[in-house]
Amino acid sequence: GAGVSQSPSNKVTEKGKDVELRCDPISGHTALYWYRQSLGQGLEFLIYFQGNSAPDKSGLPSDRFSAERTGGSVSTLTIQRTQQEDSAVYLCASSLRWGQAFFGQGTRLTVV
Amino acid sequence: GQQVMQIPQYQHVQEGEDFTTYCNSSTTLSNIQWYKQRPGGHPVFLIQLVKSGEVKKQKRLTFQFGEAKKNSSLHITATQTTDVGTYFCAGPTAGGTSYGKLTFGQGTILTVHP
Repeated sequence: GAGVSQSPSNKVTEKGKDVELRCDPISGHTALYWYRQSLGQGLEFLIYFQGNSAPDKSGLPSDRFSAERTGGSVSTLTIQRTQQEDSAVYLCASSLRWGQAFFGQGTRLTVV
Repeated sequence: GQQVMQIPQYQHVQEGEDFTTYCNSSTTLSNIQWYKQRPGGHPVFLIQLVKSGEVKKQKRLTFQFGEAKKNSSLHITATQTTDVGTYFCAGPTAGGTSYGKLTFGQGTILTVHP
């Protein structure tokens, strides 16, 4: 596609349920990032994938959060047993190793 | 690990006033990138600076990269309401297992009062 695609754009879930967020990066981009952004706040780094290297998971806030990137392309961020504090916009970005980051439109997650 | 600090966190200006945000890295950067996020939107790339002391302009925006390649600034002349948003700087990690990973500053939220 022309840009980074994220789905769904909005997700409302009940506390305690699991959710999966999807990111389709730009074809050929070796780097993929997940960020979380609460209203009026900055970008909270979650995880970084670069090619076939082991991902940098240093930003994942708890073991309820996990992410994978299959075939060096599509990525899924999974949040288990969602909590209200998980409510935020989840942004995905992709880039070439030293290039600019292209962000998706984000998934707005609301945990009720 | 690498840290990128950005100040101020918030800036309120009257339309027509100038605005500057500053970015400082704990390590020397190979390049510095700037992004703008409009309210309700996602960050969008503005520019990349690579050379020590480099200065680039985009209309009313002036970007500078420090001589030591550890700091940068974004200056907007005569702000307009269209400048409203959050401005982020970002620099890549030079080595280690996260080689090339972009680290973002906390952002500066700019409000422009008409």
